[in-house]
Amino acid sequence: DAKTTQPPSMDCAEGRAANLPCNHSTISGNEYVYWYRQIHSQGPQYIIHGLKNNETNEMASLIITEDRKSSTLILPHATLRDTAVYYCIVRLGQGAQKLVFGQGTRLTINP
Amino acid sequence: AAGVIQSPRHLIKEKRETATLKCYPIPRHDTVYWYQQGPGQDPQFLISFYEKMQSDKGSIPDRFSAQQFSDYHSELNMSSLELGDSALYFCASSLPGTSTDTQYFGPGTRLTVL
Repeated sequence: DAKTTQPPSMDCAEGRAANLPCNHSTISGNEYVYWYRQIHSQGPQYIIHGLKNNETNEMASLIITEDRKSSTLILPHATLRDTAVYYCIVRLGQGAQKLVFGQGTRLTINP
Repeated sequence: AAGVIQSPRHLIKEKRETATLKCYPIPRHDTVYWYQQGPGQDPQFLISFYEKMQSDKGSIPDRFSAQQFSDYHSELNMSSLELGDSALYFCASSLPGTSTDTQYFGPGTRLTVL
C-alpha cells in the first residue's frame, strides 16, 4: 500500500547530478515526503524530507512541485558510494507513523 | 553522534528454535520500530512501540512478540522459527514529540534459519 511510484532503476555518471523522480499524486495536505536510501543490506539511511517547500541539506536537495503530486531528489555530485536503492515515502510527520517502503529506485553510479 | 544499536548482528538458528533480537534506540528517543526484510524484498513494518506501549502493528506473525522496556530498549522474540523467517531485521527509533518524527535505522540483525 505504498503511496509512491518510482522508476525501478537509473544510471548516473560519477561527478554528475543524479535526479531521482517520485510520483505521489494522492498525497494529503499533512503528509510529508521522506527519502531514504539503502546501500546493500545496510540499514536504511535517512536523507531528507519536506512538506511543500524545497529543502537542502549536506546530502541532497528535495524539489517538490507546487501541487505536491511529485518530487525530485537531487544528489548534486554523485560518487560511487551513492550507489544504492532510494526510497521515496509519504507519511505523516508526527504520531510515530510507520514507514511503508515501495520498490524504490536502484541507482547505479558509473565511473 | 550515537546511533541505533542492534544485537546480535548475525544469528543462526535451527527450525523450531527461538530467537531474541535486541534494539537500543538513540539516546532520548522513546519510539522504536521493527522492520523485516526478506531476500530481494523491501523492508516491511512489523511493530512499533511508543513510551513502552505498542503503538502500531503490521504483518507480524503470531509466533513473534515484542516489547519495549523502561530504558526504551526493545526486544523482538521469535519462536518456532521457520525457514521463511530468514531475513534482515531492522530496528529504527524516533522522537515523535519533535516536529518531524524522523526514523533512524540500526545496522540490522541477519537471521538465518537452517
